[in-house]
Amino acid sequence: GEDVEQSLFLSVREGDSSVINCTYTDSSSTYLYWYKQEPGAGLQLLTYIFSNMDMKQDQRLTVLLNKKDKHLSLRIADTQTGDSAIYFCAEGPMYGGSQGNLIFGKGTKLSVKP
Amino acid sequence: KAGVTQTPRYLIKTRGQQVTLSCSPISGHRSVSWYQQTPGQGLQFLFEYFSETQRNKGNFPGRFSGRQFSNSRSEMNVSTLELGDSALYLCASSMAQFLDGTDTQYFGPGTRLTVL
Repeated sequence: GEDVEQSLFLSVREGDSSVINCTYTDSSSTYLYWYKQEPGAGLQLLTYIFSNMDMKQDQRLTVLLNKKDKHLSLRIADTQTGDSAIYFCAEGPMYGGSQGNLIFGKGTKLSVKP
Repeated sequence: KAGVTQTPRYLIKTRGQQVTLSCSPISGHRSVSWYQQTPGQGLQFLFEYFSETQRNKGNFPGRFSGRQFSNSRSEMNVSTLELGDSALYLCASSMAQFLDGTDTQYFGPGTRLTVL
């Protein structure tokens, strides 16, 4: 069945780059997403990539997609303490489907040490 | 523009009771989705409503139901509550203008439900 997997924890020092990895199983997904969740808050969409792209850059964020290996990564350059949060990878939907049924990973908790 | 709002933010119920959660989407958004977030299972899709019709449904028992009103506001109901229903329930809205999934989902802060 559909599944999205991520490592649970990542710790980096302020100013370093963070790389959060994700693997997914549904090759029919149209888009892959990265969401951020801060304590006590809902999810904030950070960025997304269309499934036929290899890379997308948005300011400090770089998304890399290896469709053959079904591997997605999010790189945060110059990581700041404010980036400390849980990051969720999500896939979906099938082309032509509604966006409502995203499949999420369990989230990677990023801790940034000053 | 106001974001997605969910009420109440916190709720405590006992087993066997029922509960209704409310979600007001961003103005102009026609699609509302509901997700359950627990430490063990993570984020799981419950259902999606568009123009008052349920368009997608996740793998949850019939105790979980929802509806959408003509103003796009949505409610979800859980009957005969179980301890395992304790979770953060998140609502997300999107304009649903496009069928290719390019609409962005905006999430509310969630309702924290505790079942005792």
